[in-house]
Amino acid sequence: GAGVSQSPSNKVTEKGKDVELRCDPISGHTALYWYRQSLGQGLEFLIYFQGNSAPDKSGLPSDRFSAERTGGSVSTLTIQRTQQEDSAVYLCASSLHQGSNTGELFFGEGSRLTVL
Amino acid sequence: AQSVSQHNHHVILSEAASLELGCNYSYGGTVNLFWYVQYPGQHLQLLLKYFSGDPLVKGIKGFEAEFIKSKFSFNLRKPSVQWSDTAEYFCAVTRRNSGGYQKVTFGIGTKLQVIP
Repeated sequence: GAGVSQSPSNKVTEKGKDVELRCDPISGHTALYWYRQSLGQGLEFLIYFQGNSAPDKSGLPSDRFSAERTGGSVSTLTIQRTQQEDSAVYLCASSLHQGSNTGELFFGEGSRLTVL
Repeated sequence: AQSVSQHNHHVILSEAASLELGCNYSYGGTVNLFWYVQYPGQHLQLLLKYFSGDPLVKGIKGFEAEFIKSKFSFNLRKPSVQWSDTAEYFCAVTRRNSGGYQKVTFGIGTKLQVIP
């Protein structure tokens, strides 16, 4: 497809389990972002990948959170030992990040995570 | 670090009323500015953007925003809202510096409810 694809769309897990969320960005987009959207909390930045540069991990809330981007394309966000406060919608976005396109993000549908 | 402030977290308007949503950012250098919209049950999408040139930017569905550099503001306006404008609106900024573009920072969002 032409858009940003995220999977799974919904994930219910038990507290303490690990989860992996996947993002397939738009082909050719060099920048990839992960955000978390919780009720009343707006968009919380998690991590940012830009080309071959070291990722900006400054938004990851704890060391239970990690992300990889393999081959400059698909990204996986991993949450270890999930807690109930991790319940949220995890959004992925990609961007071309060139000239006037810079900062124009294309969002996926999100992965809704529920930790019981 | 750059920050984005949206002053109105929840706005309720009647149809045909005029809309203005405030957005201020903290960075004094060169910036790209955006408004994104999230309709109920849908993913985030770009409403309009400012990159350079005319500070009055027109977007989809009759929305416009004005970049006022001296006030570090990028307020969103629409002269007459419709029920279908009910959504959450996010202001965002990315700044340019000698190292290239920085990650996009979002405001907390404003929920707009339009009453028929």
